[in-house]
Amino acid sequence: SQTIHQWPATLVQPVGSPLSLECTVEGTSNPNLYWYRQAAGRGLQLLFYSVGIGQISSEVPQNLSASRPQDRQFILSSKKLLLSDSGFYLCAWSLTGVNTEAFFGQGTRLTVV
Amino acid sequence: DAKTTQPTSMDCAEGRAANLPCNHSTISGNEYVYWYRQIHSQGPQYIIHGLKNNETNEMASLIITEDRKSSTLILPHATLRDTAVYYCIVRSSNTGKLIFGQGTTLQVKP
Repeated sequence: SQTIHQWPATLVQPVGSPLSLECTVEGTSNPNLYWYRQAAGRGLQLLFYSVGIGQISSEVPQNLSASRPQDRQFILSSKKLLLSDSGFYLCAWSLTGVNTEAFFGQGTRLTVV
Repeated sequence: DAKTTQPTSMDCAEGRAANLPCNHSTISGNEYVYWYRQIHSQGPQYIIHGLKNNETNEMASLIITEDRKSSTLILPHATLRDTAVYYCIVRSSNTGKLIFGQGTTLQVKP
């Protein structure tokens, strides 16, 4: 069966520090991968999605970047965090196509102080 | 990407059916309707999806109107654990992206 791992679960970082959040998927090949962010009391905002290694599409220009160094690994990064980067970050995967559900990780709650 | 419109909040009595509406008037012919829910501080949970026919699984039923411009998610016997934010999403047929709206906060009351 397929599983998705996302870590850490919580993170407190100072303003100006770098960020690296990692997401890995097991039990499938060539998944579509997604990063979402949810600000406090708000809906989920799609940040990045990837259909293959090295193929990243950015949905919203901002202080973040994403990389996919391996087929089932998706990394969200920032060189210098801003206070506005605080939020709940979620990774998700799906098979290719629109008739397949996406599965979400348990999320990382990031607080920038 | 087709946009969805949902009521901000709804209440439902425990044990009764919860009917959550969604409008998606700009949906195109090959786009699917997906429903997810999110319980506080957790990742969204997949519920059900459909194209044009009504669908049912162990969690819920999805009723899609014939013109596909709206749909209703039905939780047949709501429990307190069904209290969550419910998202109706039209999945892009070009990219497969799931674009979430604001969702409906369902409060199941004893």
